[in-house]
Amino acid sequence: AQSVTQLDSQVPVFEEAPVELRCNYSSSVSVYLFWYVQYPNQGLQLLLKYLSGSTLVKGINGFEAEFNKSQTSFHLRKPSVHISDTAEYFCAVRTGGFKTIFGAGTRLFVKA
Amino acid sequence: GAGVSQTPSNKVTEKGKYVELRCDPISGHTALYWYRQSLGQGPEFLIYFQGTGAADDSGLPNDRFFAVRPEGSVSTLKIQRTERGDSAVYLCASSLNGVYNEQFFGPGTRLTVL
Repeated sequence: AQSVTQLDSQVPVFEEAPVELRCNYSSSVSVYLFWYVQYPNQGLQLLLKYLSGSTLVKGINGFEAEFNKSQTSFHLRKPSVHISDTAEYFCAVRTGGFKTIFGAGTRLFVKA
Repeated sequence: GAGVSQTPSNKVTEKGKYVELRCDPISGHTALYWYRQSLGQGPEFLIYFQGTGAADDSGLPNDRFFAVRPEGSVSTLKIQRTERGDSAVYLCASSLNGVYNEQFFGPGTRLTVL
């Protein structure tokens, strides 16, 4: 069975600092990987996805993630965060079917 | 264009009652998903529709939960004999088709069972 572990429940960071949100997954088969963001009182929005090809994936709002098969990780990064990036971030995995498994989320809090 | 909408936004009910939660997907999206998000957790898959049929209902926790999509558009999640443990935010998402298409999420319905 697949599972997703987000290693940090909360990440406080100062504005304009870099950030990394960590995600590890377990699966015995090939996976598709996703990062979603949930702003307060809004629905989940796709940030980026890895389906195949280049292991470095670029998404919206300046975020990127790198798929590392040997370490079964898909960490999310941004070189310089803004106050507006404060939100909950979810890593998710899907195998060949349609069921998507989400991690518990990481709350990113950007301080001025 | 209009996104995924869910009604009601909030529902408070008493233990043992029946509730219905509605999802209006984006027009033209054939795939529809229901998830449940408990406090402090990520969304948990419940059921997936392709058109009118439930292609995967393996996430429904028990037979009190049922979902329909009779015309391949609007979907209703039905919960019988609600329990306090059913309290959560119920999310609906739709996508054009298939595994590779992005899922667009609605704002959710917050269900509180007293």
